[in-house]
Amino acid sequence: KQEVTQIPAALSVPEGENLVLNCSFTDSAIYNLQWFRQDPGKGLTSLLLIQSSQREQTSGRLNASLDKSSGRSTLYIAASQPGDSATYLCAAHTGNQFYFGTGTSLTVIP
Amino acid sequence: DVKVTQSSRYLVKRTGEKVFLECVQDMDHENMFWYRQDPGLGLRLIYFSYDVKMKEKGDIPEGYSVSREKKERFSLILESASTNQTSMYLCASSFSSRGQWFEKLFFGSGTQLSVL
Repeated sequence: KQEVTQIPAALSVPEGENLVLNCSFTDSAIYNLQWFRQDPGKGLTSLLLIQSSQREQTSGRLNASLDKSSGRSTLYIAASQPGDSATYLCAAHTGNQFYFGTGTSLTVIP
Repeated sequence: DVKVTQSSRYLVKRTGEKVFLECVQDMDHENMFWYRQDPGLGLRLIYFSYDVKMKEKGDIPEGYSVSREKKERFSLILESASTNQTSMYLCASSFSSRGQWFEKLFFGSGTQLSVL
């Protein structure tokens, strides 16, 4: 069964800093990998989806990379802002399911 | 943009009650999902459906059932609510593409269910 891990569980950075969130998965036979943002008490919002044939995807200040062979994905956030404070989750699409990590809680300090 | 609507934001029910959670999506997606989210455990799949009247068990189907009579609507039913079903319930939908089961997942805003 696919296992998805996100380390660290929590991260605190000063405003303006560039940062990287990590996601690792045990089964490299994935169709795609998604990154989500979740605000407290809310649902998940999809940020980026990387197909298994792709290496990276970009949207604004966000860049997600995928290395299937090593079982890793990273989400790069440039010039962080207080509004980026949220929990970020990754999910690997394997077989007929998505497998989610438990997330990294990000706090950007003004 | 895709909209996934969950009927209730907060629900409080008594032990033993039958509970219905409703989810509607407006983008003609084939696939719909029900997850529960608990602190420290992340999202766990309860059931999913890839077509009308079709359903598949996820990782934790015990104590739950689902109904999909129309493509846009996917209902989660707690037959006899118990306190250990207190949780955040999240509905999601996606379309399929050739070569893979699911594409981008769209989530509703969630239902926080408390069973007393």
